[in-house]
Amino acid sequence: AQSVTQLGSHVSVSEGALVLLRCNYSSSVPPYLFWYVQYPNQGLQLLLKYTTGATLVKGINGFEAEFKKSETSFHLTKPSAHMSDAAEYFCAVSDSGSGNTGKLIFGQGTTLQVKP
Amino acid sequence: GAGVSQSPRYKVTKRGQDVALRCDPISGHVSLYWYRQALGQGPEFLTYFNYEAQQDKSGLPNDRFSAERPEGSISTLTIQRTEQRDSAMYRCASSFGKNNEQFFGPGTRLTVL
Repeated sequence: AQSVTQLGSHVSVSEGALVLLRCNYSSSVPPYLFWYVQYPNQGLQLLLKYTTGATLVKGINGFEAEFKKSETSFHLTKPSAHMSDAAEYFCAVSDSGSGNTGKLIFGQGTTLQVKP
Repeated sequence: GAGVSQSPRYKVTKRGQDVALRCDPISGHVSLYWYRQALGQGPEFLTYFNYEAQQDKSGLPNDRFSAERPEGSISTLTIQRTEQRDSAMYRCASSFGKNNEQFFGPGTRLTVL
């Protein structure tokens, strides 16, 4: 079975500061990993994903994440926070096996607050 | 359409009533997923369609929940004899294939009184 744990349900940073949102996963097979962002009253939008290859993945809006197999982590970072980054962020995992369906297993989410 | 659409956006119903939630995926997307998201939680998988075939319904919580996608396009999630614990945001997502990016709709907020 797969699972995702996001450490910290709320993270607050100052504008211009580093953003770090933590995600650890559990998977019995090589995982596919995702970060989604959810703005109020909108659907989830994909920020970035890791499937295979380079472990440092760059996404939209200046975000990036690094897959660390030894730590079973996929933390999301951004060097400098912007007010528009305030949203809820979800880490997700799916099964890479041949019989997979692509269904996503989500963490509980982290709300990012950006202070002026 | 430009994206995944869902209707209604909001649904308030009384306990015991049946509800039907509709999802219109992006044209050409063969994979369709339903998720349920409780307040303060991440989305939870309900069911998956490949074209019209329901290939995974392991996330449906009980037999009051069912889904169909008869022509491989629009999908309907039906909840019979609704209960207060069914109150949640129901989200639909579609993709070109099972390992492609899933595009999410805005969701249907269901409130059972």
